[in-house]
Amino acid sequence: EAGVVQSPRYKIIEKKQPVAFWCNPISGHNTLYWYRQNLGQGPELLIRYENEEAVDDSQLPKDRFSAERLKGVDSTLKIQPAELGDSAVYLCASRGKSSGGTDTQYFGPGTRLTVL
Amino acid sequence: AQSVSQHNHHVILSEAASLELGCNYSYGGTVNLFWYVQYPGQHLQLLLKYFSGDPLVKGIKGFEAEFIKSKFSFNLRKPSVQWSDTAEYFCAVKGGYQKVTFGTGTKLQVIP
Repeated sequence: EAGVVQSPRYKIIEKKQPVAFWCNPISGHNTLYWYRQNLGQGPELLIRYENEEAVDDSQLPKDRFSAERLKGVDSTLKIQPAELGDSAVYLCASRGKSSGGTDTQYFGPGTRLTVL
Repeated sequence: AQSVSQHNHHVILSEAASLELGCNYSYGGTVNLFWYVQYPGQHLQLLLKYFSGDPLVKGIKGFEAEFIKSKFSFNLRKPSVQWSDTAEYFCAVKGGYQKVTFGTGTKLQVIP
């Protein structure tokens, strides 16, 4: 089974430029998460999707960040314009449900963003 | 709001030493608890999880964790660490509204 795929793996941009990240979750996983992980910190949730619906975007800075998950599969996260403080690793994770009702998030490798 | 606290930021052990990493959470309701590991250059992987039942949970690679509800703790343990356990370990809690909150992580360095 393929894991969560993210691209690009690395991105270097100048401040005020736009940037986009792409995520392809594990096949059949309805739940998709975007996290931001700053250096020396744990992942912080930005947005969670159940199929194509964003059910928790309370931590997403909506003035510059946007996300979409068309057709409830792939997702993109966009920052426009980027600021120096946006430098971080952006993680995508997906979750499915076992027959027992338990679930586990599977993480992608992340996109390391550097804003100069 | 739920939160997770990992007390040890950086732990250095010799091979064969015993390991215990602390994790405390704050949330008044039912929780699911997780430990994730991130080996150098790799992505986050699930080490073990607690959903219900036996509070002593066994995970991969000889790790285990014990959920102590009265102490709001979910400490990670391993009787004898190996050099290959060098990694960063994250505790996470899922509480209200299916929200998962991660701790700040503990970097473990095992010296051969």
